[in-house]
Amino acid sequence: AQKITQTQPGMFVQEKEAVTLDCTYDTSDPSYGLFWYKQPSSGEMIFLIYQGSYDQQNATEGRYSLNFQKARKSANLVISASQLGDSAMYFCAMSTNNAGNMLTFGGGTRLMVKP
Amino acid sequence: KAGVTQTPRYLIKTRGQQVTLSCSPISGHRSVSWYQQTPGQGLQFLFEYFSETQRNKGNFPGRFSGRQFSNSRSEMNVSTLELGDSALYLCASRGQITNEKLFFGSGTQLSVL
Repeated sequence: AQKITQTQPGMFVQEKEAVTLDCTYDTSDPSYGLFWYKQPSSGEMIFLIYQGSYDQQNATEGRYSLNFQKARKSANLVISASQLGDSAMYFCAMSTNNAGNMLTFGGGTRLMVKP
Repeated sequence: KAGVTQTPRYLIKTRGQQVTLSCSPISGHRSVSWYQQTPGQGLQFLFEYFSETQRNKGNFPGRFSGRQFSNSRSEMNVSTLELGDSALYLCASRGQITNEKLFFGSGTQLSVL
């Protein structure tokens, strides 16, 4: 079975500062993918970044980077230069070969950016 | 390219009724999956369809069903609605590669009174 844990229910960050959102995962499948999604109040889930279990380098997408520590089973999201529009719920999720295309989500972290 | 389209955006039903939600995937995507999001249970996988066949199913009662058409559009149906079925229902589509990212629609907010 797969499990995703996000231990920070809510976080504040000052505008223009960097913030790290924590995510730990558990799976026995050696082949898996880790995702981060952003969900603003409108409800849509917006894809941010993806890391494959065999990827050698940490994924980056613009202001988003994924700090992938395989031995620790962690996949933390780092947002650099926070903007007011970054205020939203953030979900870490995992898919595994054994589970097909099913995503297992964590409980989410609500990020609030202060002006 | 148009994104994932879900209709309707909001829906209000009463207990015992049934409801059908619709999802049009991104053009060329043949996999469509459905998720239920509630404050208490978070995001939970309902089922996935690929080329009109259900490929995977989550742990939901038989009142929840779905189907996929030859054009990859998908519908999910919930019969005999219960108050606990009130949720945001999200549809997502993806290409054929395993572990490829899912693209989500804006969801259908269902309220059961």
